[in-house]
Parts: sequence; structure tokens; C-alpha cells
Amino acid sequence: GQNIDQPTEMTATEGAIVQINCTYQTSGFNGLFWYQQHAGEAPTFLSYNVLDGLEEKGRFSSFLSRSKGYSYLLLKELQMKDSASYLCAVRDRGGGYNKLIFGAGTRLAVHP
Amino acid sequence: NAGVMQNPRHLVRRRGQEARLRCSPMKGHSHVYWYRQLPEEGLKFMVYLQKENIIDESGMPKERFSAEFPKEGPSILRIQQVVRGDSAAYFCASSPPGDRGNSPLHFGNGTRLTVT
Repeated sequence: GQNIDQPTEMTATEGAIVQINCTYQTSGFNGLFWYQQHAGEAPTFLSYNVLDGLEEKGRFSSFLSRSKGYSYLLLKELQMKDSASYLCAVRDRGGGYNKLIFGAGTRLAVHP
Repeated sequence: NAGVMQNPRHLVRRRGQEARLRCSPMKGHSHVYWYRQLPEEGLKFMVYLQKENIIDESGMPKERFSAEFPKEGPSILRIQQVVRGDSAAYFCASSPPGDRGNSPLHFGNGTRLTVT
């Protein structure tokens, strides 16, 4: 079956660091994506991992371990505007197109 | 370069009516994806279309739902005889010709359907 798990909610303080974990069990794997979604808006692309290791992009980093079926998104120097849902998604291997399987999302609340 | 455009942003329908959701892909893109997001849930793949072809509709409910992407004009997601359970946000994304799934999806702002 296809299963992607991430925590439902997290809270953090402005200026701090937060790590959002994602574990997956899917029939195929051709990359893992993180998206940010503010309430009532479209998901926006944050990061992509297809090989094991850490990808860094400014305040955001994402890590992947394919053998463990595990990824995390690391947000540094948190700002109030980072309050949003963070969606983990795995690209199914078949067909060579973007059939993404999404987790339910982690709702992050950043407090002053 | 305009992004993926969806309209309407909000759509209210009574039970039994039809809902038509439109998606204009990014300029030069010929592949369209539709995803549905129920309240408090993640996005669920519905259908993948190329111009005039449905490639993968494995996520589409078997009844009442249909999608098309004609040679000219936007992609249309049609829901006939809507029920309250169809209330959701429907997102469209597009990708360029020849895309083998190597680039991330960029989503439109979605259509929020409310069935009363």
C-alpha cells in the first residue's frame, strides 16, 4: 500500500529551529518533495530529494534516507510567516510523470 | 510568464447540480494534473492529461467525475450531480511537453467547491 506519515501539528518559537519528519512506505519511489501551504492558498514547492543526503536552500534544508523510508524538513531562524502546513510527497516511479502521493501535512504554528 | 490559472476561485452548488472547474496551464505546458484536497487532508491525485488524451485517471471516482483537456482551451474537471462529500479544494498543476517527471509540480490557486 501507499502510506506517508507526518506529525499533524507542531509549534515553535520565532528565531528557533524546527524539524518536521516524514516516513513513507510506497510501492515505487522516484523522489520526495516538500511543499508549503498557507491556509486557503496553493501548495508552493520548497525542496526535492532523490538521492540520500541533505539538500540546503537558504533557511530550509531537506534530508532523505531511502533505506529507512525517511525524510525531514529543517527550518532555521523561524519567522512568523513560516506558520503554514508543510506537505511531504513521494513521486510514484511508474510512468515517468508527476503522480505525487501526499501526506496529510504538518501544521506549524510559530509563536513570538 | 503567468502561472497556472484556475477559475472560479470559489464555487457554490446545490446538491444535484453540475460543477465545472477550469484550468489554464502555464504557457507552453501541455500536461495537466488535477488533485483534490478534502478539509484537513492531504492532496489526492485524481487525473493526468495531455492535450486530447487522458493518460492516468486512476484517482478519479468512477461515477459523476470526468476530465478533458481539448486541443484548444483550458482543461475542464466536471462533476455531475454534486453531493456534499464533493466539497473540497481542487488544484490543478501543469508541466511542459517531454517532461518525464523530473521537475516539480507548480500548482494553481485552486477552486474551492462548496456543495449546499
